[in-house]
Amino acid sequence: AQTVTQSQPEMSVQEAETVTLSCTYDTSESDYYLFWYKQPPSRQMILVIRQEAYKQQNATENRFSVNFQKAAKSFSLKISDSQLGDAAMYFCAYMEWGAQKLVFGQGTRLTINP
Amino acid sequence: DSGVTQTPKHLITATGQRVTLRCSPRSGDLSVYWYQQSLDQGLQFLIQYYNGEERAKGNILERFSAQQFPDLHSELNLSSLELGDSALYFCASSVHLDRVYGNTIYFGEGSWLTVV
Repeated sequence: AQTVTQSQPEMSVQEAETVTLSCTYDTSESDYYLFWYKQPPSRQMILVIRQEAYKQQNATENRFSVNFQKAAKSFSLKISDSQLGDAAMYFCAYMEWGAQKLVFGQGTRLTINP
Repeated sequence: DSGVTQTPKHLITATGQRVTLRCSPRSGDLSVYWYQQSLDQGLQFLIQYYNGEERAKGNILERFSAQQFPDLHSELNLSSLELGDSALYFCASSVHLDRVYGNTIYFGEGSWLTVV
């Protein structure tokens, strides 16, 4: 079974600084998708960024970017110019193409220090 | 706003009771998913429906059931409730098997269930 591991239960960063959240996954499949979701105190799950495994180029969405290392099965999220509104729980998730099911990591709680 | 609508947002009920959670997917999405988020189990996939038919099943208890109606809204029925069923229940939806949109799943705001 596929598993997703987030080894950092908590992270903190100074406002305006850059922080990287780690995620590794285990799969024998070659066709899959990876996601980062953000869950603020409101508990809503908000999609941050998406990466297709067949694409070599790392995905970027404004201040958010990923470092996708397929051979190493690593998928880290970099947040640049951190803002107070970025404080949240961040979940890494995996989906096998056609499986229609997200497998989540345990989450990393990110604190932004003013 | 993800476009996925869930009701009710909060509910409190007693052990042994039955509740129904309702979900309206994003316009055009045929797939609906239910997830449970609890403190000890994290985010767990329960079940998926596609255009009215059950497509995938996860860690869903036999006391729980779901269905998707012709208008594509979905309901999750939880019966014989136990204290341990207290959790945040998410509904989510997606375009099914779409390479362009990458099977991105959009979540509703969740329904908080407290069993007392």
